[in-house]
Amino acid sequence: RKEVEQDPGPFNVPEGATVAFNCTYSNSASQSFFWYRQDCRKEPKLLMSVYSSGNEDGRFTAQLNRASQYISLLIRDSKLSDSATYLCVVSMNSGYSTLTFGKGTMLLVSP
Amino acid sequence: EPEVTQTPSHQVTQMGQEVILRCVPISNHLYFYWYRQILGQKVEFLVSFYNNEISEKSEIFDDQFSVERPDGSNFTLKIRSTKLEDSAMYFCASSDVSGTVGPEAFFGQGTRLTVV
Repeated sequence: RKEVEQDPGPFNVPEGATVAFNCTYSNSASQSFFWYRQDCRKEPKLLMSVYSSGNEDGRFTAQLNRASQYISLLIRDSKLSDSATYLCVVSMNSGYSTLTFGKGTMLLVSP
Repeated sequence: EPEVTQTPSHQVTQMGQEVILRCVPISNHLYFYWYRQILGQKVEFLVSFYNNEISEKSEIFDDQFSVERPDGSNFTLKIRSTKLEDSAMYFCASSDVSGTVGPEAFFGQGTRLTVV
């Protein structure tokens, strides 16, 4: 049973495109949700936390649907520098807890 | 900007040898973690550490592994009798509980362990 499931991609898009990634998680007790970004052979870096009401950070918008156990990330006006693997991450509670990672979705933005 | 630092960046060891991976977490963080990522696979949790003891560990973290905070700044992962399948990128992370959503963990740049 996969705890956090993502489409591995790659998603190939031209600069300026809008692209959306989805993620599902299996544990309904999950409380905290994040998107991390990982460049090739580098460490995961926090892109944004995901709030129940949805949230936006510049070109990035994250949505959470607890009923469907589904998380999304929308990237508008894609840049070449957005090329990376996007990791969907969940945690069991809102305080300290370990992180459970999806395998990631690869995005390739071309000129 | 504060960051988690790890040394060495790359370690090559012979099968059966012991290795120690070192990490300096962000100074005001209280929770420390080790994760690993086998090439092409997902990031996997190994162990968490709080208040000088292990808080949680995964099935991967068996008797071959141990962690220690030998002083006020370092956090180490020891792998005894390394096996070929221990080859992976090992990430140290730290967090506090100030995030409004949850534990925003910050990762070090990783140590690539190659067992030959």
